[in-house]
Amino acid sequence: DAGVIQSPRHEVTEMGQEVTLRCKPISGHNSLFWYRQTMMRGLELLIYFNNNVPIDDSGMPEDRFSAKMPNASFSTLKIQPSEPRDSAVYFCASSDPFSGTGFDNEQFFGPGTRLTVL
Amino acid sequence: SQQGEEDPQALSIQEGENATMNCSYKTSINNLQWYRQNSGRGLVHLILIRSNEREKHSGRLRVTLDTSKKSSSLLITASRAADTASYFCASSAGSYQLTFGKGTKLSVIP
Repeated sequence: DAGVIQSPRHEVTEMGQEVTLRCKPISGHNSLFWYRQTMMRGLELLIYFNNNVPIDDSGMPEDRFSAKMPNASFSTLKIQPSEPRDSAVYFCASSDPFSGTGFDNEQFFGPGTRLTVL
Repeated sequence: SQQGEEDPQALSIQEGENATMNCSYKTSINNLQWYRQNSGRGLVHLILIRSNEREKHSGRLRVTLDTSKKSSSLLITASRAADTASYFCASSAGSYQLTFGKGTKLSVIP
């Protein structure tokens, strides 16, 4: 398996522009997570999906952020309009907690998208 | 909110020495996990220890868990320059979510 795939790897945009980040989870994984990582705040969970359904979006900073998972193999995180304070590395991770002999919710992370908003 | 707290925040050692990192958490857990993050990369799962386990080994890694103190430690023996990375603990209360700490930045000097 290729692992979790994210695109783009780097994104530089200007304030006010729309940004769309993409993620392809590991095939067969039924949980998908979007995280944001900054020096100041560390790793923050933004939203997670189970079986394509958003379960907890309490970490989404504000209405400018939205996430979708139209099918089991694709998810997007959209920021509209973007602001300089959104600059961060955004990670997607997937998991299949019941694939083993017990509950094992190890998460597999993608390489991240480094977003810079000027 | 970040529940886990790693200690120390940064650690610098010579190659061949052992590195010990600690993690504290606040609520009851189902398991605790450790991840490594190399610069510019995503997190990579290292080891998972369940709440009914006290110690676990994987290669040069040894993890301990003390649920009475709500703490865990990660020991890397005979460190190598390639071990230079940030190390995160993540606690799980039994749901799909993990709560990550802010990490320990380990530098192994050749």
